[in-house]
Amino acid sequence: DTGVSQDPRHKITKRGQNVTFRCDPISEHNRLYWYRQTLGQGPEFLTYFQNEAQLEKSRLLSDRFSAERPKGSFSTLEIQRTEQGDSAMYLCASSLGTGGFYEQYFGPGTRLTVT
Amino acid sequence: AQSVTQLDSQVPVFEEAPVELRCNYSSSVSVYLFWYVQYPNQGLQLLLKYLSGSTLVESINGFEAEFNKSQTSFHLRKPSVHISDTAEYFCAVSLATDKLIFGTGTRLQVFP
Repeated sequence: DTGVSQDPRHKITKRGQNVTFRCDPISEHNRLYWYRQTLGQGPEFLTYFQNEAQLEKSRLLSDRFSAERPKGSFSTLEIQRTEQGDSAMYLCASSLGTGGFYEQYFGPGTRLTVT
Repeated sequence: AQSVTQLDSQVPVFEEAPVELRCNYSSSVSVYLFWYVQYPNQGLQLLLKYLSGSTLVESINGFEAEFNKSQTSFHLRKPSVHISDTAEYFCAVSLATDKLIFGTGTRLQVFP
């Protein structure tokens, strides 16, 4: 068990460019969550997957954001036409899920800076 | 809808002193309650949780939190803090196998 990993750890991009982040959950965890954390705020929920199905999306997730989890393993979060307001730490978490509460294990995050 | 309020953005305290980090929540239904800790340059880690049963829950490193339904609070306490407790602490609620809703965090700064 190597924990949740995220790649890259840091990303600097120019406004208008597209970026993609990857999250590898703990193996056998069927739930995968994405959160966004801006400076001075707590993490805010973006979306989550049960295996490969995307079950909920926050209204924070505009049309420029898309997330996938092919084959229920790793997940990608893509932001198209980035804006300066997208600058934040993007956190991924995974859990065993379904029925009762299972702890969400967080990755180290990907820090996005849009210039 | 659920929400979480952490009343203190920063709490400075001297080593070996007691500390309380306050958390209040709002929900029309029963929720699960959590405290997460984020050490500098590290990811979020679960510190303790209240799911049901005893309203007083403890962590392995000396923190405890008490669920108070009437006051809708889940304050975090430690009788004697260490330098190594310096971190950001987040209170969160969940409706079960669902998203976590976090407060804005409290930065605990422990001074020697």
